[in-house]
Amino acid sequence: GQNIDQPTEMTATEGAIVQINCTYQTSGFNGLFWYQQHAGEAPTFLSYNVLDGLEEKGRFSSFLSRSKGYSYLLLKELQMKDSASYLCAVPMEYGNKLVFGAGTILRVKS
Amino acid sequence: GAGVSQTPSNKVTEKGKYVELRCDPISGHTALYWYRQSLGQGPEFLIYFQGTGAADDSGLPNDRFFAVRPEGSVSTLKIQRTERGDSAVYLCASSPVPNDYGYTFGSGTRLTVV
Repeated sequence: GQNIDQPTEMTATEGAIVQINCTYQTSGFNGLFWYQQHAGEAPTFLSYNVLDGLEEKGRFSSFLSRSKGYSYLLLKELQMKDSASYLCAVPMEYGNKLVFGAGTILRVKS
Repeated sequence: GAGVSQTPSNKVTEKGKYVELRCDPISGHTALYWYRQSLGQGPEFLIYFQGTGAADDSGLPNDRFFAVRPEGSVSTLKIQRTERGDSAVYLCASSPVPNDYGYTFGSGTRLTVV
């Protein structure tokens, strides 16, 4: 089966950098996803990592270490609009579905 | 349409009643998913359609839950004899092809059973 852990909440200051960690345990590995979800809205796709290393996409970067079962999402130059829940997810071993972590609520303060 | 549309956006129902939740996927998307999200949790998989057929319904919690997609486009999630524990946000997502996990979610239907 799959198990995903992420911190429940984080607070950071506007303009700063924040790193949101995710650890996972899976029977097989088919990549790892990060989604952003603003309160009351749909989750939106941020990134997908299947190989080790850092993938950079503007202010957001995502890192994966398959040997450690570890990923992080790095947000730079934080803006107030980045206040949201960040969900880490991995595909289940069989079938077309994702297993999500509980999400990390990020609060950006001025 | 431009995105995944779900109706209603909010539904309040009494315990024991029957409800239907509707999902209009992005036009042309063959894969459709239903997830359920409780407060403070991530989405949990319910059912996956490939075309008209339910390819995987292993996430449906019990036989009170049923979903259809008769023409391979719009899908309806049906819940019989609703219970207070069914209260959650029900999310629909679609993708153009199977195994494309970067799918697009709808805004969800917030179901409250009182």
